[in-house]
Amino acid sequence: EDQVTQSPEALRLQEGESSSLNCSYTVSGLRGLFWYRQDPGKGPEFLFTLYSAGEEKEKERLKATLTKKESFLHITAPKPEDSATYLCAVQAESGGGADGLTFGKGTHLIIQP
Amino acid sequence: DAGVTQSPTHLIKTRGQHVTLRCSPISGHKSVSWYQQVLGQGPQFIFQYYEKEERGRGNFPDRFSARQFPNYSSELNVNALLLGDSALYLCASSWDRGAYEQYFGPGTRLTVT
Repeated sequence: EDQVTQSPEALRLQEGESSSLNCSYTVSGLRGLFWYRQDPGKGPEFLFTLYSAGEEKEKERLKATLTKKESFLHITAPKPEDSATYLCAVQAESGGGADGLTFGKGTHLIIQP
Repeated sequence: DAGVTQSPTHLIKTRGQHVTLRCSPISGHKSVSWYQQVLGQGPQFIFQYYEKEERGRGNFPDRFSARQFPNYSSELNVNALLLGDSALYLCASSWDRGAYEQYFGPGTRLTVT
């Protein structure tokens, strides 16, 4: 069974204080790993897709990296508007033909001014 | 360009009733997936539809069903509602099958009393 574990569950940072969020996964053949941002009461907003170990992608203050067992979302000099829940999800090769994503519980990030 | 739209935004139903939720994908997207998100958890995959056919199903009872129309819009139906069905129901679309980004709508908040 595919599993995704995110840590920490919650993280409080000061504005400008860089940090990393972790996503550990177990999947029978990784087709893709996805990062989303979710604001309270809203749908997840797509951030990145990573396909193979060693791949990195960047967008503004965010950088996602991927190894064979985990992914990191690095946040550099965060601002209060970066406060949100960050979700990690995997798509397995052996999904029975389906493209359904398996999500972790998310990391709730708070950036204090 | 319009994103994924869902209706209604909020819904309150009584145990045992039936509910229908609707989703319109991004223009040009052929694949629609449905997810259930319980408070404090990541989204959980329910169904995927592609070219009007079911392509995958998550671990949900037969009370849950869905369909996709020729214009690629979709409906999720839930029969015999239980208190535990209270959740945010999310629709996601992608332009094709495979490891492509899934873009989420704002969700429908269902409360079962």
